[in-house]
Amino acid sequence: DVKVTQSSRYLVKRTGEKVFLECVQDMDHENMFWYRQDPGLGLRLIYFSYDVKMKEKGDIPEGYSVSREKKERFSLILESASTNQTSMYLCASSPSPGQGNPDTQYFGPGTRLTVL
Amino acid sequence: GNSVTQMEGPVTLSEEAFLTINCTYTATGYPSLFWYVQYPGEGLQLLLKATKADDKGSNKGFEATYRKETTSFHLEKGSVQVSDSAVYFCALSRSYNTDKLIFGTGTRLQVFP
Repeated sequence: DVKVTQSSRYLVKRTGEKVFLECVQDMDHENMFWYRQDPGLGLRLIYFSYDVKMKEKGDIPEGYSVSREKKERFSLILESASTNQTSMYLCASSPSPGQGNPDTQYFGPGTRLTVL
Repeated sequence: GNSVTQMEGPVTLSEEAFLTINCTYTATGYPSLFWYVQYPGEGLQLLLKATKADDKGSNKGFEATYRKETTSFHLEKGSVQVSDSAVYFCALSRSYNTDKLIFGTGTRLQVFP
């Protein structure tokens, strides 16, 4: 089974802090994603990576950056955390067309981030 | 661009009741359609999918049919169980890049014994 793990289940940070959220997948997937999940808004795509060192902005990239130095690891960075970034953050991965069904995403358990 | 709309919850049912969760979409081209489920404390997992018109996806007793004429992909189950309590998300692939999905807002289902 594909396993996607996230570094923390719960995180509390202060306004202005730099925050790192880590995600690791063990299935050699090419594609990785970061979403935030908010009540009434569903999942919104923050950033997407389709290869090492490759990234693409999603629908709400403002205030976030990402890093993908190794294929299995995709990090989300909040350069200066703000209270409106309090949310549930979900990481996902999917295979490239040569590996399987690229439209099937596998999710981690999520990190609930609170910014005070 | 593509978008998806699903009914608001929560949906509250007794065990063994019939379930319908409505999902409609707007799309250009021929997107694939999905239902994902999120159990308490977990990430999302794929429940079922359909890749073309009139396809029926099914899994764990859940079904959904890709209806192009009504632009719908409603989720149904004939007899729900307490263990089906979760949040259900309808999703579709983006018209220009099938690697990325657009998710609905989610519908919480609560099943009571």
